[in-house]
Amino acid sequence: EAQVTQNPRYLITVTGKKLTVTCSQNMNHEYMSWYRQDPGLGLRQIYYSMNVEVTDKGDVPEGYKVSRKEKRNFPLILESPSPNQTSLYFCASSFVSGPYNEQFFGPGTRLTVL
Amino acid sequence: AQTVTQSQPEMSVQEAETVTLSCTYDTSESDYYLFWYKQPPSRQMILVIRQEAYKQQNATENRFSVNFQKAAKSFSLKISDSQLGDAAMYFCAYRSWNNNDMRFGAGTRLTVKP
Repeated sequence: EAQVTQNPRYLITVTGKKLTVTCSQNMNHEYMSWYRQDPGLGLRQIYYSMNVEVTDKGDVPEGYKVSRKEKRNFPLILESPSPNQTSLYFCASSFVSGPYNEQFFGPGTRLTVL
Repeated sequence: AQTVTQSQPEMSVQEAETVTLSCTYDTSESDYYLFWYKQPPSRQMILVIRQEAYKQQNATENRFSVNFQKAAKSFSLKISDSQLGDAAMYFCAYRSWNNNDMRFGAGTRLTVKP
């Protein structure tokens, strides 16, 4: 089944404790992206990657890191989480070009930073 | 930078009736893509419909259709014969032609009354 998977689905942590949210897709998509969703703000892009070893900042990259060492994986790293990073996080992937470039989303990760 | 505005935080519709959700966007690009995503209580992001800016014909997917007004930078979603399962948060999204920039509106929460 074609899908984007994220782990963990739920995470409660404390300020300053490093964490990684994994994202993997099995559709051979070049493009992958991370978003955070907050009430009244919709989804905001954190980082995106157009292909392996190519990453770039989105609208809200502060406090986050990413890497793209393999085409299928795009982990999101919070090296020193703070309470303002409490949010719902989505990973998404798509083809880069062509008309069928809609993004496919993972199930989301609910992160709480105490 | 491109912005997407959904001016209706909440909407409600009677089952079997028709409802229209509004979306406007701001861009200086001539070629781009527009999407409507549905987010039910499960939080999964589901693509409802998409429109390529170079196509003048409005997209249609079963009970869902759009009214795309390029000059007015408007992209509304019409849901006909509303069903209880249509109740969800709906997000309008803009994707740049080069696929780097993906912007979402703040969302419209749709309630369907039986």
